[in-house]
Amino acid sequence: EAGVTQSPTHLIKTRGQQATLRCSPISGHTSVYWYQQALGLGLQFLLWYDEGEERNRGNFPPRFSGRQFPNYSSELNVNALELEDSALYLCASSPDRGYGYTFGSGTRLTVV
Amino acid sequence: SQQGEEDPQALSIQEGENATMNCSYKTSINNLQWYRQNSGRGLVHLILIRSNEREKHSGRLRVTLDTSKKSSSLLITASRAADTASYFCALKGGSNYKLTFGKGTLLTVNP
Repeated sequence: EAGVTQSPTHLIKTRGQQATLRCSPISGHTSVYWYQQALGLGLQFLLWYDEGEERNRGNFPPRFSGRQFPNYSSELNVNALELEDSALYLCASSPDRGYGYTFGSGTRLTVV
Repeated sequence: SQQGEEDPQALSIQEGENATMNCSYKTSINNLQWYRQNSGRGLVHLILIRSNEREKHSGRLRVTLDTSKKSSSLLITASRAADTASYFCALKGGSNYKLTFGKGTLLTVNP
């Protein structure tokens, strides 16, 4: 069974540009969660999608947005990139709400 | 905030020793989970303990939960160099389905 896959693995962008990160959950998992892990700050909850709908949002500005497609894959978009957006972005999926997340390996976003 | 707080922030032990890390929280929870992260990669789910459970085991892992003290501990017995990683507790509370993670304990097991 394929795990949670994220692409790209690494992404380098210039301040002010837009970044698009992608996540494919485990087959059968309908919930997708996005987290930001900046250096020294632990995991910060970004977004939760379930059944194609945004269910919950963390304390991040509106330039962080995303969507979930009919096949339950998800996309995270970050507009007007700032230097402090540099972080590891982790996607997770679960078969049941709030139980046992499976994480992808993450996308490391560097903003220069 | 529902965030758990791990203690200690860093722990260094010799191979074969036991490692204990703790998680404290402030709100009521539905379950508490422990995860491991190797060197900035994705997190791996280790164990889940529900609010009505007091202790769970999985291989060399033992997790306890004391809801009256709002704390949990993760014990790794007979540690190995491969156990070197960051360990996070994650909380699930009530109808909020997201997990809230602490900042983690960095465990170093020296060969």
